[in-house]
Amino acid sequence: KNQVEQSPQSLIILEGKNCTLQCNYTVSPFSNLRWYKQDTGRGPVSLTIMTFSENTKSNGRYTATLDADTKQSSLHITASQLSDSASYICVVSAYNTDKLIFGTGTRLQVFP
Amino acid sequence: EPEVTQTPSHQVTQMGQEVILRCVPISNHLYFYWYRQILGQKVEFLVSFYNNEISEKSEIFDDQFSVERPDGSNFTLKIRSTKLEDSAMYFCASSVLAGEDTQYFGPGTRLTVL
Repeated sequence: KNQVEQSPQSLIILEGKNCTLQCNYTVSPFSNLRWYKQDTGRGPVSLTIMTFSENTKSNGRYTATLDADTKQSSLHITASQLSDSASYICVVSAYNTDKLIFGTGTRLQVFP
Repeated sequence: EPEVTQTPSHQVTQMGQEVILRCVPISNHLYFYWYRQILGQKVEFLVSFYNNEISEKSEIFDDQFSVERPDGSNFTLKIRSTKLEDSAMYFCASSVLAGEDTQYFGPGTRLTVL
């Protein structure tokens, strides 16, 4: 069954600190992996998209990595800001399908 | 920056009633999607739409659901006879291309079925 699992479920960090969020997936055949940021009560906003051949992709203070062999991805946030407080969702897509498979997300809270 | 818009932001309805959720995708986008998120749960794919027809749908998208692009700008999701379990946030998304292209999500419509 195609699934996306994320850890931790929630994370609290102090402003200015770095953090790393994890994602494991069992989607096959794999096409691409995305990280989205979702503020409470809002729609998800795309951060990165990576295909099978990409190992890392950055978007400002966000850096995503992908290991297609172990089916793992991580999202690293550098120098966190209060506005980073949100849910971060790992989303995986298989070939020949429009369907995005969402993880449950990691809820990040950044405190001053 | 162009964005996907959705109306209404919150819809309250009685069980058994029909509801229509409306979306205006980004103007040059060709692919349109509906997702739902039950409170506290994952976002789930409902349907994708291209060239005026459904290209893919999930098992959730049964005969009670339908989608339509009635004109050049709007994209609608209709639920014919709402059930309590239809209460959720419904997100519309659009993209230029399918596959690896970024899907841009709207702010969502919160549907509450009483």
